Amino acid sequence: GNSVTQMEGPVTLSEEAFLTINCTYTATGYPSLFWYVQYPGEGLQLLLKATKADDKGSNKGFEATYRKETTSFHLEKGSVQVSDSAVYFCALKGTYKYIFGTGTRLKVLA
Amino acid sequence: EAGVVQSPRYKIIEKKQPVAFWCNPISGHNTLYWYRQNLGQGPELLIRYENEEAVDDSQLPKDRFSAERLKGVDSTLKIQPAELGDSAVYLCASSFRDSQETQYFGPGTRLLVL
Repeated sequence: GNSVTQMEGPVTLSEEAFLTINCTYTATGYPSLFWYVQYPGEGLQLLLKATKADDKGSNKGFEATYRKETTSFHLEKGSVQVSDSAVYFCALKGTYKYIFGTGTRLKVLA
Repeated sequence: EAGVVQSPRYKIIEKKQPVAFWCNPISGHNTLYWYRQNLGQGPELLIRYENEEAVDDSQLPKDRFSAERLKGVDSTLKIQPAELGDSAVYLCASSFRDSQETQYFGPGTRLLVL
């Protein structure tokens, strides 16, 4: 069945450091891929998405490229801020169902 | 535009008691989802509605969980009786339709069963 694997956290970075959070997936067909962010005490918010191979999703300085050949959708940001501290979830959507990864907690220190 | 509204935000109950969660989706969204999020995990789908029809409830523990979406708008998720293992955050999400559309999540209801 479909599945999503994320790197385990927490990831701790200093402000302005480069961020990569790895995400790989297993799926039949051609799923859409998403990154959601969850701030403390809040629900999940869509950060970015990509619906087909080689698409790049971007938002708020974050980027991820849908790589079919490596079945990956790694999240990157060139310069993180303290306000980016949150839990990040990679997800895929097949025909009907969303599958989420276990989440990666990011801590950014001033 | 108002987002997905859930209530209550927090609930503490003793095991074997019943509990209910309410969700009001974004206006015009036909598809509604209930998820359970255990501590340190990603959300797992419990049930998905298309309008008032439950089209995927394969992950809903039907011996104790029930859900309804009368009139295809608001939805209620019920647990009766609750067990210790039901402690989790229950998230509601909605989308315009279940295709490639983005899901919008509510803030969740954090349930603690003692």
